[in-house]
Amino acid sequence: DSGVTQTPKHLITATGQRVTLRCSPRSGDLSVYWYQQSLDQGLQFLIHYYNGEERAKGNILERFSAQQFPDLHSELNLSSLELGDSALYFCASSVAQASEKLFFGSGTQLSVL
Amino acid sequence: GENVEQHPSTLSVQEGDSAVIKCTYSDSASNYFPWYKQELGKRPQLIIDIRSNVGEKKDQRIAVTLNKTAKHFSLHITETQPEDSAVYFCAPRGGGGNKLTFGTGTQLKVEL
Repeated sequence: DSGVTQTPKHLITATGQRVTLRCSPRSGDLSVYWYQQSLDQGLQFLIHYYNGEERAKGNILERFSAQQFPDLHSELNLSSLELGDSALYFCASSVAQASEKLFFGSGTQLSVL
Repeated sequence: GENVEQHPSTLSVQEGDSAVIKCTYSDSASNYFPWYKQELGKRPQLIIDIRSNVGEKKDQRIAVTLNKTAKHFSLHITETQPEDSAVYFCAPRGGGGNKLTFGTGTQLKVEL
């Protein structure tokens, strides 16, 4: 157990819908990263938050948004869902801003039908 | 942004053989070089890392070597075992430090 909690583990929804994925980092970690992993694909960086502030953006679609709350948990919002958004979404946490070791959650498997 | 490439994309070895995976990066300011292992259906986990002031680090059967001049680092696994079968990712940290780009991954299969 990495100490990073992601909910829900599985999510099935329809095209055009909106979903929210939640991540609670390890106790004491200030950084949260979000990654998307499609079938047989690598880990695509989406966004990084540190202590409530956005620090870096990757190839995140405009339909996607995220935030980190004062208690340091983070949410990734995906809207106007398309079939191609089906993927495993991981969050990872680390202690510092210029992060070294990442600890991953078990992921949320999103299926858009 | 950082361009990260891994080679090979797939690697099949016999149990007991050695395996080497290479990661090439573009950002000369990169200063931290980790390797992650992702077993099927599991989360990625850090298995070994090295900083830019060190050329080599070893932990039992795994080692990482760094060539900063050529901008690549490699994962070495000796005496491979079936449980080493997984996808391995490198994730060099660029000078900015805030955007961790993972390599494309290497599928390692250790055959009995």
